[in-house]
Amino acid sequence: SQQGEEDPQALSIQEGENATMNCSYKTSINNLQWYRQNSGRGLVHLILIRSNEREKHSGRLRVTLDTSKKSSSLLITASRAADTASYFCATEGNNRLAFGKGNQVVVIP
Amino acid sequence: SQTIHQWPATLVQPVGSPLSLECTVEGTSNPNLYWYRQAAGRGLQLLFYSIGIDQISSEVPQNLSASRPQDRQFILSSKKLLLSDSGFYLCASSSEGMAATTNEKLFFGSGTQLSVL
Repeated sequence: SQQGEEDPQALSIQEGENATMNCSYKTSINNLQWYRQNSGRGLVHLILIRSNEREKHSGRLRVTLDTSKKSSSLLITASRAADTASYFCATEGNNRLAFGKGNQVVVIP
Repeated sequence: SQTIHQWPATLVQPVGSPLSLECTVEGTSNPNLYWYRQAAGRGLQLLFYSIGIDQISSEVPQNLSASRPQDRQFILSSKKLLLSDSGFYLCASSSEGMAATTNEKLFFGSGTQLSVL
């Protein structure tokens, strides 16, 4: 079965607000990654958090991982119109990444 | 960093026609290569992955096949397309030599939007 199910599916916020997305998974993982996809384009890697890490920051991004609950969250602070995209979590296991369905985020200027 | 070249960007094909999508990788050697398909508004489904030349693993039974004739070339093919083959196809590459561990990110091509009519 496909791992990584983001919740909520769609989010619309005003520029400057924070955006939070969640992801749950079902099996043990080595790491969890977040990717961004602009409409009609390929995915771009944002951040990777390893199974022994609980929180990680990269610029305006903050990722948390709770392996006991098998869940992760991605927070984008001070959102910008350019952050409008779909965001996917992906869990790594058995030499491959399994992607979730994605969160569509719309940042209104 | 790596660059993934994927073409064509869009393709419209009739049912029953053949398919060949090509992907080439620059900036690394011996990468793991992947073909994903994305249905509209959905997540990514892994179709094939390869850890080396002529080493292909299929994730789901389907009408498609993949080949890796060179280290940095990955081809997705079909002899006869079905309507259900429509979708957005993405080629991806890992860092070199990651067959044993995958604590690395994937680099994606820009995708091919395939419409089978």
